[in-house]
Amino acid sequence: AQSVTQPDIHITVSEGASLELRCNYSYGATPYLFWYVQSPGQGLQLLLKYFSGDTLVQGIKGFEAEFKRSQSSFNLRKPSVHWSDAAEYFCAVGATSYDKVIFGPGTSLSVIP
Amino acid sequence: GAVVSQHPSWVICKSGTSVKIECRSLDFQATTMFWYRQFPKQSLMLMATSNEGSKATYEQGVEKDKFLINHASLTLSTLTVTSAHPEDSSFYICSARLAGGLAANEQFFGPGTRLTVL
Repeated sequence: AQSVTQPDIHITVSEGASLELRCNYSYGATPYLFWYVQSPGQGLQLLLKYFSGDTLVQGIKGFEAEFKRSQSSFNLRKPSVHWSDAAEYFCAVGATSYDKVIFGPGTSLSVIP
Repeated sequence: GAVVSQHPSWVICKSGTSVKIECRSLDFQATTMFWYRQFPKQSLMLMATSNEGSKATYEQGVEKDKFLINHASLTLSTLTVTSAHPEDSSFYICSARLAGGLAANEQFFGPGTRLTVL
């Protein structure tokens, strides 16, 4: 069965600094991978997804993620964090295009002005 | 983009009563909808997968007689929490999946429903 781990429960960065949120998955084949953001009082928003092809994926709000099969990782990055990026970030994995998606435990991001 | 709504956004009820939560895909058809439960400071836990016109598939440990799911149309799924108790208090989130296409596994999430059982 597939699973997702996000090693960092909480991360604090200064505004303008770079950001990397870690995600590791467990699945035998190439998974479908997602990053979602959840802001207080709002629903989940998809930042980016990886199905196949180029392993570096560009998303919304200046985020990108890189799929590394050898490391079973799909880390999320942003070169310069804005205060509005403070939120909860979830990595998720699906086995096939029509399978359910399993969410990681989430990483809470705080941004220092 | 694809929009999913939930109603109500929050509800308070007495212990022993039933509560119905609606999930609607506003501008697309969703053959599959998912129901999640999220406790404070925790991740989303999938409760069940709802396919239009068929019975829902529940995850292990989820009581199907307590959490009734109906997916009567391509744009509406409902979750009814029967005989609610304080331990059912949680944030319930639905998502809807586009029918077919390359984005077939992309889910669009509703804003969630906060249920408090007194």
